Parts: sequence; C-alpha cells; structure tokens
Amino acid sequence: NAGVTQTPKFQVLKTGQSMTLQCAQDMNHEYMSWYRQDPGMGLRLIHYSVGAGITDQGEVPNGYNVSRSTTEDFPLRLLSAAPSQTSVYFCASSYWGSEGAFFGQGTRLTVV
Amino acid sequence: AQKVTQAQTEISVVEKEDVTLDCVYETRDTTYYLFWYKQPPSGELVFLIRRNSFDEQNEISGRYSWNFQKSTSSFNFTITASQVVDSAVYFCALSEASSNTGKLIFGQGTTLQVKP
Repeated sequence: NAGVTQTPKFQVLKTGQSMTLQCAQDMNHEYMSWYRQDPGMGLRLIHYSVGAGITDQGEVPNGYNVSRSTTEDFPLRLLSAAPSQTSVYFCASSYWGSEGAFFGQGTRLTVV
Repeated sequence: AQKVTQAQTEISVVEKEDVTLDCVYETRDTTYYLFWYKQPPSGELVFLIRRNSFDEQNEISGRYSWNFQKSTSSFNFTITASQVVDSAVYFCALSEASSNTGKLIFGQGTTLQVKP
C-alpha cells in the first residue's frame, strides 16, 4: 500500500503563478483534507472533503480551491500564488471522521 | 470553540532524562478524540496515539506514556529515558465527533531536542 501520496515534494513558484498540488490515497478513505504548516502555528486546515463530490472550507481557505471527483484524489489548487502561501502542505485521509488521519509526506512550497 | 494549546514551544533535555509534553484542549463536545503526532526532522507526520473522551485510562507504550485527565482538559505525553531519536516536533490534536468530518485541530507543536 502506498498510503497517501503527495506530489510534488518541493516546488518554487513565482508570485501570480497557479499550480495544483496532487494528493492520492489508495486506502478507500472517505475523508480527505489539506493542511498547511507554518512555524509556530501548527497545522491549519485549508479544505476538507467527506466524500466524492463533497468539499468544504476549513480555517484558512482563501487563495485555494479543491474538488473531489473520485474517492482517491483530492487536488489542491493555488489560483494565484502569493508569498504568504509559502508553507509546507500536508494532505491527509481517514476511513471515518474521528479515526485520526494518515498524512502524506508533505509538499514544501516557496513563492517568490 | 475548539482549541488545542501546547504551551511549551521548545524543550531541551539531556539523553536519559524524562520529559513531559503538555497539551490542553477546549471543546464543547462530550464525545471527542485526542491524538499525538510526531514530526521528525525528515518532515513526515507519524501517528502516535488516539484516545477517545470516554477512556481516561492512562496508556503506556514502551518509553511513551500518556495521561488523559478530563477534569483539567489535558492530555499530556511523557517520554521516559529520552533518546536522541526522540528529537522531533510533537503535535497534540483534537477531533470532535459532532463534526464527523475528519477535521483535526492541532496545537502549535512542541519542539523537543534531546542532547547526547
């Protein structure tokens, strides 16, 4: 089992560019979410999904877009990158809501 | 509102010392789940433990132990006889059953440095 796979692992973007962070899980989990990790702030929820076709905003959704067309995939789109989006991004999945999440390896994004 | 506080930003100990990482949470739910995750220098997040709100039994796993006290809304983590490999950032997190969304509320994290 691959678990939760995120790509890319590292990315540098210029301000204003757009990109998609990919997240895929092979555990047939219904629940998937995206977090960003910034120094001294822990992990903060960006968007989450409770199943294919269902997404909702988390604590810090501005500047990000998500969709969930399949159970396996939950991509995160940066519409117009800003330096404030420099962060480490983690995708997570779980079988049910309070199970606790399996995390991907993270994507370190730098916006210059 | 739900919240998790890890007041200790950084802790430094010498190998073989015992160390306790504090976690205090706030929630209005009567059913909730608490977690600890470890983030070693390599960056991945490693699940350590999940505890539900109805189970206040302390848990021990090798050198790790957890003390859950609902009366003080705390879920503290103790490493006995610390080792250099324990150096990492440790996160406490909360999940509320009422949301049933998989959302985790994280504390700010505690960086533990174990010196040889």
